[in-house]
Amino acid sequence: DIQMTQSPSSLSASVGDRVTITCRASQDIRDNLGWYQQKPGKAPKRLIYAASTLQSGVPSRFSGSGSGTEFTLTISSLQPEDFATYYCLQHYSYPLTFGGGTRVEIK
Amino acid sequence: EVQLVDSGGGLIQPGGSLRLSCAASGFTVTSNYMSWVRQAPGKGLEWVSALYADGTAYYAGAVKGRFTISRDNSENTLYLEMNSLRSEDTAVYYCARVAGHLPFDYWGQGTLVTVSS
Repeated sequence: DIQMTQSPSSLSASVGDRVTITCRASQDIRDNLGWYQQKPGKAPKRLIYAASTLQSGVPSRFSGSGSGTEFTLTISSLQPEDFATYYCLQHYSYPLTFGGGTRVEIK
Repeated sequence: EVQLVDSGGGLIQPGGSLRLSCAASGFTVTSNYMSWVRQAPGKGLEWVSALYADGTAYYAGAVKGRFTISRDNSENTLYLEMNSLRSEDTAVYYCARVAGHLPFDYWGQGTLVTVSS
């Protein structure tokens, strides 16, 4: 199984900050990676697919990069509605595996 | 408009069985591949199972042999039959759609399964 190591597990940031979240895959997954945002009590929402393609309707302050084993989600200027938990997901091979999540909290 | 509505969760004793449903609208479940994802209370997301348009199914190791994914084309509904339930199966279960081999663009609202005596 492919392991997805996500870091940090949590972070505190202020509105306007630049935030970076990283996922490392235990083997090459090319660009078969997505990023999801989840707010408490709600279903996850896809932000990025194919490692760097912004989902329609998602603000441009979100961006994804990387390929192979190292991937990054960046929020260029954190907004109040961005406080949530973020997950990466590899879909290169079964079983599909999520990262452990990054909880973004208000500083 | 694409919509997924999850149902069928509840309280069930260990060793029991339950069937979850995911009613789809705005697209046909047979033309996409579909998955179930779960989330234990206070924990992260865990992929459970997938069903391709051609009927090929995949399962996570933790549920293989106990859970069965299926669909009803006439009802446009995805199912997850869960048998021999354990306390560690307690979670919110979400169905989710894969479009163009890119997971998961649409999600159901989730249904809570609690396995406890």
